[in-house]
Amino acid sequence: DIVMTQSPDSLAVSLGERATINCKSSQSVLYSSNNKNYLAWYQQKPGQPPKLLIYWASTRESGVPDRFSGSGSGTDFTLTISSLQAEDVAVYYCQQYYSTSFTFGPGTKVDIK
Amino acid sequence: EVQLVESGGGLVQPGGSLRLSCAASGFTFSSYAMSWVRQAPGKGLEWVSAISGSGGSTYYADSVKGRFTISRDNSKNTLYLQMNSLRAEDTAVYYCAKVIRQQLVRNAFDIWGQGTMVTVSS
Repeated sequence: DIVMTQSPDSLAVSLGERATINCKSSQSVLYSSNNKNYLAWYQQKPGQPPKLLIYWASTRESGVPDRFSGSGSGTDFTLTISSLQAEDVAVYYCQQYYSTSFTFGPGTKVDIK
Repeated sequence: EVQLVESGGGLVQPGGSLRLSCAASGFTFSSYAMSWVRQAPGKGLEWVSAISGSGGSTYYADSVKGRFTISRDNSKNTLYLQMNSLRAEDTAVYYCAKVIRQQLVRNAFDIWGQGTMVTVSS
């Protein structure tokens, strides 16, 4: 199975500052036939289900603010929140869907400094 | 409005069984693969099982293989998860989720239900 790791476990960022979360997969999630990275990012707030932010590693889901962006390829990926807002306090998960084990990372908690 | 509503959770003794349901509305249910994802109290997300739109292909996490069965009734727009031989470590909120694109099992999950709590305890 593909193992997903995330760093850091948690971070605190001042309002308006940049937050960066890293995600690494134990094997490449880049599918050569279509050149797509099978990697998604989700946001989960307390008491709520996860919300899809980014898919194909860098495609923003409809309605997601453009301060959220995804980058990376192969095994190394990044979620960036360009200017942290109070409503962005949440846990963020990466997920691979390259294999049908659909593994999630352990999550990164984002708080306000 | 696209919506998923889970039901069927509750308290069950170790070794017992439970069947979860997920009622879908607002989209062509049979065109989309579906998954179950669980979250133990205070823990992260764990994918449990997936099924293709037709129901012809199913997938399971190693942790539930042989104990859980995923199925769907496209005439009723409903997804199911039959859970047998339940263990304490199966205690979690169980979410159903829809993939973002038709006909593709391997895809991100764009719509999630609110979840149903399963507690396995004597």
